[in-house]
Amino acid sequence: QSALTQPASVSGSPGQSIAISCTGSSSDVGNYDLVSWYQQHPGQVPKLIIYGVNIRPSGVSDRFSGSKSGNTASLTISGLQGEDEANYYCCAYTGSGSPWVFGGGTQLTVL
Amino acid sequence: EVLLVESGGGFARPGGSLRLSCAASGFNFRSYWMHWVRQAPGKGLVWVSRINSDGTTINYADSVRGRFTISRENARNTLYLQMSSLRAEDTGVYYCTRNADPTWSFDYWGQGTPVTVSS
Repeated sequence: QSALTQPASVSGSPGQSIAISCTGSSSDVGNYDLVSWYQQHPGQVPKLIIYGVNIRPSGVSDRFSGSKSGNTASLTISGLQGEDEANYYCCAYTGSGSPWVFGGGTQLTVL
Repeated sequence: EVLLVESGGGFARPGGSLRLSCAASGFNFRSYWMHWVRQAPGKGLVWVSRINSDGTTINYADSVRGRFTISRENARNTLYLQMSSLRAEDTGVYYCTRNADPTWSFDYWGQGTPVTVSS
């Protein structure tokens, strides 16, 4: 199972909005509404920020939102803040013998 | 409070073995699927293995199938990962994670245990 494709890096200024794409296939992203997103600050443990494509866990800022179109999922962060600077990973269920696959990760820089 | 505490990481030679443990607390461990996810130094997250609540359904990533064995002991609230025939590319931090049913995401993560495979 190949990793999902994410841009290596994105950047934005405080207050702006950015989107991070996560491209898979009709076997994973396109076939199930089971896409999740994780935020990982350097040296820290990953944190779940979106599940089920567009659902935020309790306590996660509403500046984070998720969506999906076809085989591509997206994470949008609005009103960028310095604390959003981190690595972001998407993950999708594939239903195959290796049922979960992560994206390669995207480093977000807040300028 | 949900807590996942990994242990057992360390140094191994190529071809060697290690056994990781993950002690769970703060939730009904026997009701949840559990996973191992790893992260090589400076690299991204990679899903490794999953076990269902009673240990009867198990999946592995292609890269570890036949070398790693996931198991659990519900009476001890503990998850395991037996790693054999270790390779340099198995080096990284290994995280124990809880499966969030029914969304099949990973809602709680341990702090991770580092594994280094080197000659």
